[in-house]
Amino acid sequence: SAVISQKPSRDICQRGTSLTIQCQVDSQVTMMFWYRQQPGQSLTLIATANQGSEATYESGFVIDKFPISRPNLTFSTLTVSNMSPEDSSIYLCSVDISGTDTQYFGPGTRLTVL
Amino acid sequence: KQEVTQIPAALSVPEGENLVLNCSFTDSAIYNLQWFRQDPGKGLTSLLLIQSSQREQTSGRLNASLDKSSGRSTLYIAASQPGDSATYLCAVRPPGSEKLVFGKGTKLTVNP
Repeated sequence: SAVISQKPSRDICQRGTSLTIQCQVDSQVTMMFWYRQQPGQSLTLIATANQGSEATYESGFVIDKFPISRPNLTFSTLTVSNMSPEDSSIYLCSVDISGTDTQYFGPGTRLTVL
Repeated sequence: KQEVTQIPAALSVPEGENLVLNCSFTDSAIYNLQWFRQDPGKGLTSLLLIQSSQREQTSGRLNASLDKSSGRSTLYIAASQPGDSATYLCAVRPPGSEKLVFGKGTKLTVNP
């Protein structure tokens, strides 16, 4: 299994500002994922982050809005840029542990944009 | 495009009851299926993983089945307890992809 931590756990932000969310894993992993869970909705994949390469974004998500960094095999950041109230969601990172086919999730970051 | 549906959206049962949560998916070509639990304001906890070649997996009071041809999975919880109260999410993984496609979940309340 994997132990994943996220910072911050929650935040309240003003419209037009940006927030960077950190994700730390206790072991080296090849792939890290960022998901969004809007109120009352299911999880939707934002992007996949591989160390040493550009993140791969899903349809409807763009790098200018959600820039991602992946500086090493245990850490990633997601920035939510130029926020609007529609960005209010829980943002979760996850990892895929090689050989297990199981994805493990962090505790999430609850973002409220006023 | 793969879509995952979970029925019911919410379920309330008395403590001790056995219950079944349902998950259906539109494309039977999946690599695996995973059941998660999400407590309010928290992340996801993996409960059971079923590979496409498997029919079921068991962990304690939980049993998950998979009928890939009909696009269905069920999560059976035996002798439910108040601590089982949470939202249960089903997710499928397409072949050749690490991405998970989630249902909206079933919110379970077990009343003492």
